[in-house]
Amino acid sequence: QLQLQESGPGLVKPSETLSLTCTVSGGSVTNNNFYWGWIRQPPGKGLEWIGSIYYTGSTYYNPSLKSRVTLSVDTSKNQFSVRLSSLTAADTAVYYCARRLPRRDGYNWDYWGQGILVTVSS
Amino acid sequence: QSALTQPPSASGSPGQSVTISCTGTSGDVGGYNYVSWYQQHPGKAPKLMIYEVSKRPSGVPDRFSGSKSGNTASLTVSGLQAEDEAVYYCSSYAGSNNGEVFGGGTKLTVL
Repeated sequence: QLQLQESGPGLVKPSETLSLTCTVSGGSVTNNNFYWGWIRQPPGKGLEWIGSIYYTGSTYYNPSLKSRVTLSVDTSKNQFSVRLSSLTAADTAVYYCARRLPRRDGYNWDYWGQGILVTVSS
Repeated sequence: QSALTQPPSASGSPGQSVTISCTGTSGDVGGYNYVSWYQQHPGKAPKLMIYEVSKRPSGVPDRFSGSKSGNTASLTVSGLQAEDEAVYYCSSYAGSNNGEVFGGGTKLTVL
């Protein structure tokens, strides 16, 4: 059974850079049938797609976050990561990592991590 | 890239049917058949319920169905059960430049 687990700091300061990692177990990030990505949810609010990455390193970003976001994949550790710079309080959210199917298979997020709450505060 | 529009709330009694709408534009919902619906219970990660407008993943009850007309997609839950009470989010592919967009979510209450 595929499992995804987010890890990283729960509290970061304004203007700093957030780094989160998603560890995949029960499957491989190098499986060429899937993409991997991040979605966030501010407290009490809706979901926002951050970006997606393929194991080759090809990336796709939300245009509204593109200038501040970098996704990467570490195939040796079966992990993928997100970095978000110039943080403000508006970046406070639960951050989910998830697996995405390609368009030929429906373009949907079928496996999700449990989420990690990140608070931006001094 | 604007969020898809969903009503903030919907409700129905056990056994009844309820439909939740999701309105976008020709650049997302209306332009592609890649509309998905997710169910989220409090404190939990979202769960895929419908993909490609009307397809159900294995294990999702056939009480859940999806459809689309123009720029508006809909999720219908028939035979409402207490465990269906949750927040439902729609999402749509929005082209290679914009990626993906979610709706604001609809809180479904089973009365």
